[in-house]
Amino acid sequence: QSALTQPPSASGSPGQSVTISCTGTSSDVGAYNFVSWYQQHPGKAPKLMIYEVSKRPSGVPDRFSGSKSGNTASLTVSGLQAEDEADYYCSSYAGSNNNYVFGTGTKVTVL
Amino acid sequence: QVTLKESGPALVKPTQTLTLTCTFSGFSLSFGMRVSWIRQPPGKALEWLARIDWDDDRFYTTSLKSRLTISKDASKNQVVLTMTNMEPVDTATYYCARIQSKGVGWWFDFWGQGILVTVSS
Repeated sequence: QSALTQPPSASGSPGQSVTISCTGTSSDVGAYNFVSWYQQHPGKAPKLMIYEVSKRPSGVPDRFSGSKSGNTASLTVSGLQAEDEADYYCSSYAGSNNNYVFGTGTKVTVL
Repeated sequence: QVTLKESGPALVKPTQTLTLTCTFSGFSLSFGMRVSWIRQPPGKALEWLARIDWDDDRFYTTSLKSRLTISKDASKNQVVLTMTNMEPVDTATYYCARIQSKGVGWWFDFWGQGILVTVSS
């Protein structure tokens, strides 16, 4: 199972929006509405930000939103804040024998 | 309050077997609950390794299936991962995480702090 493809980096100024893409295949992202997104600050464990493509866990600001079209999912962070600077990973259920795949990761910089 | 914590050796030698324990609280491995192991080499992406379900169903990433064993001791709230024939490329931070699921899909809602395992002679 190959990793999902994300851009290595993305950036924006405080208050702006940034969108991160996550491209998979018709066997994972395109096949199921089970894309999730994780935020990871340096030296810390990942934190769930989005699940089932667009749902937010309790406590996650509504500045974070997710969507999907075909084999590509996206995470948008609106109203960027300094604390949003982190690595972000997408992931997807990949069917066949309960496989699971992560993305390559995107470093978001707040300028 | 859900917490998970990984424990095990920080350093293993090449060819040795790694045994990691995930001790959790705030939930039990009862009906519908699942736990996974994920790893992250330094500066690299996350990689899903294995999953165990409340009913002892077990699943492994295809590329490492022959080297991995996941097991549980529900009475102790623990999940154990063993990986045989460790190599320097297996140097990584190893995380355990609780799974939430819906139908066939699943994701990780709570993570442990991770444990860095270095493979070196």
